Amino acid sequence: GAGVSQSPSNKVTEKGKDVELRCDPISGHTALYWYRQSLGQGLEFLIYFQGNSAPDKSGLPSDRFSAERTGGSVSTLTIQRTQQEDSAVYLCASSFQTGANVLTFGAGSRLTVL
Amino acid sequence: DAKTTQPTSMDCAEGRAANLPCNHSTISGNEYVYWYRQIHSQGPQYIIHGLKNNETNEMASLIITEDRKSSTLILPHATLRDTAVYYCIVRVGDTGRRALTFGSGTRLQVQP
Repeated sequence: GAGVSQSPSNKVTEKGKDVELRCDPISGHTALYWYRQSLGQGLEFLIYFQGNSAPDKSGLPSDRFSAERTGGSVSTLTIQRTQQEDSAVYLCASSFQTGANVLTFGAGSRLTVL
Repeated sequence: DAKTTQPTSMDCAEGRAANLPCNHSTISGNEYVYWYRQIHSQGPQYIIHGLKNNETNEMASLIITEDRKSSTLILPHATLRDTAVYYCIVRVGDTGRRALTFGSGTRLQVQP
């Protein structure tokens, strides 16, 4: 597609439920990134899929968070047993090559945990 | 990545040039200066980057001092839509094994 697509744009869930957030990167982009941004805060790196190499998961805040990237394209970020502090905007980005510093971001998925 | 220092906030009058400074006194010879911005409720947007020469594109100009210890992003004719947080990031060119990280940036408010 022309840009990075994320869905859902908004998700409200109850504490303890699992959620899945989807990212469809720009076609042909080999690298994919997940960040999150809590209200009024900066961008926090979560995970980085770098082509065929093992993903950099160093930013995942707990083992409740996981992500997959199937077929080198679409990625799903899964949060299990959601907590209120997980409420944030989850942003996905992609870049043409791994290690690139020019990223294209999606509009984000706003997660609210009640 | 080299440490960067940006003012927390700035104001600019609509139609005037917005000059956003960034200090990066520990920059290495192979590190580039990148600028992104984040308009409220949107994902960050890449603006421009440079190594040592001044750069210009349709969005902005980047002026890098001769010693490369600081730079200025210039929006030549700021509009209300340029109100955003602007991030200056210094890092090695497209060979990084780590994802890009963002600091706190400068919140630019363009005033009517």
